[in-house]
This record gives sequence, structure tokens and C-alpha cells, in this order.
Amino acid sequence: GEDVEQSLFLSVREGDSSVINCTYTDSSSTYLYWYKQEPGAGLQLLTYIFSNMDMKQDQRLTVLLNKKDKHLSLRIADTQTGDSAIYFCAERRGSSGAGSYQLTFGKGTKLSVIP
Amino acid sequence: SQTIHQWPATLVQPVGSPLSLECTVEGTSNPNLYWYRQAAGRGLQLLFYSVGIGQISSEVPQNLSASRPQDRQFILSSKKLLLSDSGFYLCAWRAKEGRFYNSPLHFGNGTRLTVT
Repeated sequence: GEDVEQSLFLSVREGDSSVINCTYTDSSSTYLYWYKQEPGAGLQLLTYIFSNMDMKQDQRLTVLLNKKDKHLSLRIADTQTGDSAIYFCAERRGSSGAGSYQLTFGKGTKLSVIP
Repeated sequence: SQTIHQWPATLVQPVGSPLSLECTVEGTSNPNLYWYRQAAGRGLQLLFYSVGIGQISSEVPQNLSASRPQDRQFILSSKKLLLSDSGFYLCAWRAKEGRFYNSPLHFGNGTRLTVT
């Protein structure tokens, strides 16, 4: 299909690890992104991964990319209540020419952290 | 550093009234500019994007229009709002890029529009 797919909800206990999964569609996507949206706010870029990488780690965040299955995941270690938000996966599609690359977003996964 | 400003933050408008949402970017030149809408319970929908002054691409035919009168200014408008125009509107920018050069989208804080 054409959509970037994500589960809509995830609930974890404070201190546990959270894993948010995403499947994308375009095997030629060069960059994949994770954005965080807190209530009433815009989207904040968390991290991104280039398609020739399998893994990227940035402090508590670990991104895993499985190109064969077109599967992307975001792991948040030691999840805190401040991590409660909606997390969007996005893939960059398109080719050539400035401005013709578009980001296609999933519907977002709402992460709820239970104290 | 670059910043993006969007206003107003919230807006309540009656059906049939006009709309003008403004977005400006500072600290960069010749950015690509975007308007997204986020309806309740749904993901982000790209409405318009612009690669330069006066250049607007529409992704979804609808009641809205966009204009880019200056390099770092992007305006979303409507002549007559519909109930279905309610939603959270996000402006975003990013630098021009090539296939292997990454330039992520940077979002403003959004405008919550309620059409009554």
C-alpha cells in the first residue's frame, strides 16, 4: 500500500523500555525519521537514520532499520513520564530536483507512560 | 539559528468566514515551505508546499489556498471556511537538499482552528 503504518497506542511503565514500530513502503527511501509531538505543540525531530545504516543510537534512543522488511523501530530506554507524547514515523520519498522530496508520515503512536 | 513562527496559536471562526494563517522563517534563505493539517485521530496531511516565491504546489484539492509573497513567508487562506476545515495546522520548513543530503522538516508550533 501507500501508507506508512504504525500502531496507534502504546502503554509502558516508567523505567521500562518502549519500542515503537513502523512499516514503510518505498524501498528507495533514503532517510527515515522519528518525530515527537507533545500535546498542543508542533512536531519535534527526534532522530533520523540513513538507509545504509542498520542502527543508530543517540542517548536513550535507538533506531533499528530492517530494509528487507521495510521495518523501522524506535526504542526508548528507561522511559520517563516526560516521554508521553505521540511519535510519528516518516519516510522521505521522491527523486531529483530541489523541493520534490516529500515526507510521508504515519498516523502516529500515542505513548502513555504509567508512573 | 533558524526559527519558525506561526500565528495565531488558536482561532475560532464561524462557517463562511475568511481565514488567513501566517508562517515566517528566520535564519535561513530560500527554504522549502510546507502547510500540513492534522485532523483529530488522523495523521498529517500535506496541503501545500512551496520551493520559492510565488511557487505553490497543492497536494489536496480543497477549500484552501496558499501563497508565498516573500522568501520566508507562507500564508494559508480560505475565502469561506467549512466545518470540515477544523483541525491543527502546521507550517514547516527545510533547506534545499539533494538525494543523499539530509535536511529534515522543522515544524512550527501549530494553529488550532475551530470552525463553528
